[in-house]
Amino acid sequence: AQSVTQLDSQVPVFEEAPVELRCNYSSSVSVYLFWYVQYPNQGLQLLLKYLSGSTLVESINGFEAEFNKSQTSFHLRKPSVHISDTAEYFCAVSPNTGGFKTIFGAGTRLFVKA
Amino acid sequence: GAGVSQSPSNKVTEKGKDVELRCDPISGHTALYWYRQSLGQGLEFLIYFQGNSAPDKSGLPSDRFSAERTGGSVSTLTIQRTQQEDSAVYLCASSLNRRAETQYFGPGTRLLVL
Repeated sequence: AQSVTQLDSQVPVFEEAPVELRCNYSSSVSVYLFWYVQYPNQGLQLLLKYLSGSTLVESINGFEAEFNKSQTSFHLRKPSVHISDTAEYFCAVSPNTGGFKTIFGAGTRLFVKA
Repeated sequence: GAGVSQSPSNKVTEKGKDVELRCDPISGHTALYWYRQSLGQGLEFLIYFQGNSAPDKSGLPSDRFSAERTGGSVSTLTIQRTQQEDSAVYLCASSLNRRAETQYFGPGTRLLVL
């Protein structure tokens, strides 16, 4: 079984400041890792994912996440946030064997202030 | 191309009534997922389909919940004898039937049980 913990329910930050949204997971098998984002009044969409290979993955809008197997973490970072990054961010895991069940964290609401 | 669609977008019902929620996945997507998002909570996995089969029903909260998929396309989630705690946003997602594929989410059905 898998579980996902997002340690911060809300993260307020000023525009152009750096941000880190934390995600830790627990699993008895190897997993794939995902970050999904939900902008206000929009549906969830994939931000980035780690499948294999380089442990650092990047999105097209400047976010990056690093898979740390020893710490079972997949924290999301951005060096300089914009107002438009205000959204809810969900970390998720899926086993790389067996079925397709995907477990999501409770979400972190990022609020970027001017 | 059309994305994932869900109907109705909003549903208000009385406690004890049955409700049916519908999901139309993206054409060609053979994996389909149902999640529940309660206020302040993350996404709770309910069930997923590979084609018309549901290999993992472990997330269904009780025997009042059931889901089916026909023709490898449309899926319905049925909640019998609704309770107030069933009030939530029910999200559907679809993906290609390969491991770790991106899930594409619908806009959700907001269910309110009075």
